[in-house]
Amino acid sequence: AQKVTQAQTEISVVEKEDVTLDCVYETRDTTYYLFWYKQPPSGELVFLIRRNSFDEQNEISGRYSWNFQKSTSSFNFTITASQVVDSAVYFCALSERNQAGTALIFGKGTTLSVSS
Amino acid sequence: DGGITQSPKYLFRKEGQNVTLSCEQNLNHDAMYWYRQDPGQGLRLIYYSQIVNDFQKGDIAEGYSVSREKKESFPLTVTSAQKNPTAFYLCASSTRRARSSYEQYFGPGTRLTVT
Repeated sequence: AQKVTQAQTEISVVEKEDVTLDCVYETRDTTYYLFWYKQPPSGELVFLIRRNSFDEQNEISGRYSWNFQKSTSSFNFTITASQVVDSAVYFCALSERNQAGTALIFGKGTTLSVSS
Repeated sequence: DGGITQSPKYLFRKEGQNVTLSCEQNLNHDAMYWYRQDPGQGLRLIYYSQIVNDFQKGDIAEGYSVSREKKESFPLTVTSAQKNPTAFYLCASSTRRARSSYEQYFGPGTRLTVT
């Protein structure tokens, strides 16, 4: 069965610290997509990144970077030099490529608090 | 601008009443979804629809109903049979085009409180 585990429920850091959010997934499919979403206090989920199962190249976007490792079924998210505006709940999610239009499987989320 | 709208943002109802949450998208997406979010629980799928006039139950469909009469609209009715209706409800949509990665785009959500 598909499953996404975000073991860190809450993380608190001070501004400018680096922080890594962990995500471990389970799936029987060989083709799948992984996602990260950000949910600020306003409530709306904001799409951050998608990664397909055939592309293990790490990605960097500004202060954000993602480390995808199929060997350990992990898709971790690192924020470099964190800022107060990064405070939010972050969700990791999984979908199987061969099931178009089906739902994402979400982890329970990690609440990140960045203090100044 | 293209996007997903949900209204209202806050909704209050008395126990025993049915209530309908609206979701409209102008992204020309075929698939639409309803999720429920409870504190510490992440998002759980209620219903989803891949095309007009068709929809499937998700993990927690009991006490909910939906319709998909138009591509743009996917309203969710929370019935009196739903035992714990107070929650944050999120609507999403995605494309079903070939070679798409199917990321879902979310609306701003409706926070329903039933007393």
